[in-house]
Amino acid sequence: DAGITQSPRHKVTETGTPVTLRCHQTENHRYMYWYRQDPGHGLRLIHYSYGVKDTDKGEVSDGYSVSRSKTEDFLLTLESATSSQTSVYFCAIKELASEGYEQFFGPGTRLTVL
Amino acid sequence: DAKTTQPPSMDCAEGRAANLPCNHSTISGNEYVYWYRQIHSQGPQYIIHGLKNNETNEMASLIITEDRKSSTLILPHATLRDTAVYYCIVRADTISSGSARQLTFGSGTQLTVLP
Repeated sequence: DAGITQSPRHKVTETGTPVTLRCHQTENHRYMYWYRQDPGHGLRLIHYSYGVKDTDKGEVSDGYSVSRSKTEDFLLTLESATSSQTSVYFCAIKELASEGYEQFFGPGTRLTVL
Repeated sequence: DAKTTQPPSMDCAEGRAANLPCNHSTISGNEYVYWYRQIHSQGPQYIIHGLKNNETNEMASLIITEDRKSSTLILPHATLRDTAVYYCIVRADTISSGSARQLTFGSGTQLTVLP
């Protein structure tokens, strides 16, 4: 599992409240990713990081911000949660293989915005 | 990244080989074929990847046609725990690129292993 944990695993919150999801990895991986998964859409990239303080937007970044102040933690923040952000959120890291890369995912966070 | 086409669902008898096809007719020369699976309520799990040659690991085998326009993931002895959605993804990644490119997941194939 490449030492990836996510917290919380489940959260219910109300519209308009801020929410922060945490991804923690223990193996010093450089690249980290946040995805959301919704029925009919597969996995969509929200933001990714290629090093401490180095982040960039993915395809569905509106309404989300990220921070990476240390290698092991990648935080995803919903500044003001909306019902459309109800989803399952997955964190991932990328690891160099003998050829190409392997990408490993965390267990996911199920977020419900009421 | 090249687009992939997979059947939406397949069944396989427990203990038999599961052969999951994927078409990627627009694949480029530097693009790899990756396979992932997602068991219900869990995160996606890396299975295998390859460029040109067939690959095998402890989980599965990957057969890539000579023209690289299609591939097959083979689970040699499917078990009930192999029931999952299987995703075929094609993307360019090289060791030297250092890119942080993401994986784009499509709809995949729902494999159901029957007892």
